[in-house]
Amino acid sequence: DVKVTQSSRYLVKRTGEKVFLECVQDMDHENMFWYRQDPGLGLRLIYFSYDVKMKEKGDIPEGYSVSREKKERFSLILESASTNQTSMYLCASSLISGGANTQYFGPGTRLTVL
Amino acid sequence: AQRVTQPEKLLSVFKGAPVELKCNYSYSGSPELFWYVQYSRQRLQLLLRHISRESIKGFTADLNKGETSFHLKKPFAQEEDSAMYYCALSGRGGSEKLVFGKGTKLTVNP
Repeated sequence: DVKVTQSSRYLVKRTGEKVFLECVQDMDHENMFWYRQDPGLGLRLIYFSYDVKMKEKGDIPEGYSVSREKKERFSLILESASTNQTSMYLCASSLISGGANTQYFGPGTRLTVL
Repeated sequence: AQRVTQPEKLLSVFKGAPVELKCNYSYSGSPELFWYVQYSRQRLQLLLRHISRESIKGFTADLNKGETSFHLKKPFAQEEDSAMYYCALSGRGGSEKLVFGKGTKLTVNP
């Protein structure tokens, strides 16, 4: 059974702080993704990674960066948190394989920036 | 451009009534279509995908390429179906990213 874990369920930070959100998956998946989930806007892709040390920008990468030093771990970094980054952040992973592209999601981190 | 449209933000039905959650897509090529569901206080999870042609928890979805739609249907809604539903698409091949719709919140009233 695939398990995707995120380091925190709730996080409160102040404007200007550097914020790290960690995601770990235990199924040897190549792909990992970071989304933010906002009411009325659905899920928007921030960054994704197909392999270690590889990253690709998603639809809303501004204000974020990522790091993937190990296959199982994908970190999202807010260099200088702002109030408009208050959101629910979801991490996901998937296999590279022919056919269905099923993503497995973590429980989410609700970040509040004051 | 890849786009997924879920026209209804909110949908409310009574228990036992049929339910249909609409999804239309825009994609140049042959997409893979998915429905994901998020129950209250639970993580987002896959409900079904079109290539499997399966029925999960009584839900089915048929890909209509002519109308570019992938509507989710259930003949008799249950209270436990109340959740947030997202339609999503990707290109062929496991490395494609998913594009999500904005979601429909389904409420099934007793």
